[in-house]
Amino acid sequence: DQQVKQNSPSLSVQEGRISILNCDYTNSMFDYFLWYKKYPAEGPTFLISISSIKDKNEDGRFTVFLNKSAKHLSLHIVPSQPGDSAVYFCAASALTGNMLTFGGGTRLMVKP
Amino acid sequence: DAGVIQSPRHEVTEMGQEVTLRCKPISGHDYLFWYRQTMMRGLELLIYFNNNVPIDDSGMPEDRFSAKMPNASFSTLKIQPSEPRDSAVYFCASRPSGTFYNEQFFGPGTRLTVL
Repeated sequence: DQQVKQNSPSLSVQEGRISILNCDYTNSMFDYFLWYKKYPAEGPTFLISISSIKDKNEDGRFTVFLNKSAKHLSLHIVPSQPGDSAVYFCAASALTGNMLTFGGGTRLMVKP
Repeated sequence: DAGVIQSPRHEVTEMGQEVTLRCKPISGHDYLFWYRQTMMRGLELLIYFNNNVPIDDSGMPEDRFSAKMPNASFSTLKIQPSEPRDSAVYFCASRPSGTFYNEQFFGPGTRLTVL
């Protein structure tokens, strides 16, 4: 039973365009969400997060949107750069808990 | 400031052998997590510790897997005996307590291949 799902295993985008990565969750107890980026042969690194009291959080080229009623969040990267090519993991947790539940990841390829 | 350190980075072993993976968390972090990444199951939590005490090991797949944290700066994940289906990348992560946000800091991982 996957509680966090990333239904697109891969995404290809042209440099300069917008990349949109999607994530769905099923557990209503989740109230804090994170995005991690992972390059080959490295561990995941934290990118951006959002708590359930917000519906948007922005950090430079990265924006995360949260739709609580739909149990859906998305990561927007604008403009996309070749260095953004990586695997992106969505993760969720309850603020009162210590564990993160990860989605399966989406491989983003940004073409020059 | 050094990040999470894992060793070895790569391990190749034969079925039936004992494998020990090592992790040094970031200094001052009270939580330590062990994850396994496979194509089939993605990134799954195996066990986590708080102040060196195992809190939740429900993700440990079988009795062949064990984890210890003898002190605040060292943890091991042991597989005995190893099997080919244990082949995966194993990550260690840590985070401090007392923070509002649940961000974890990951090590570079150990790629385990069991032949």
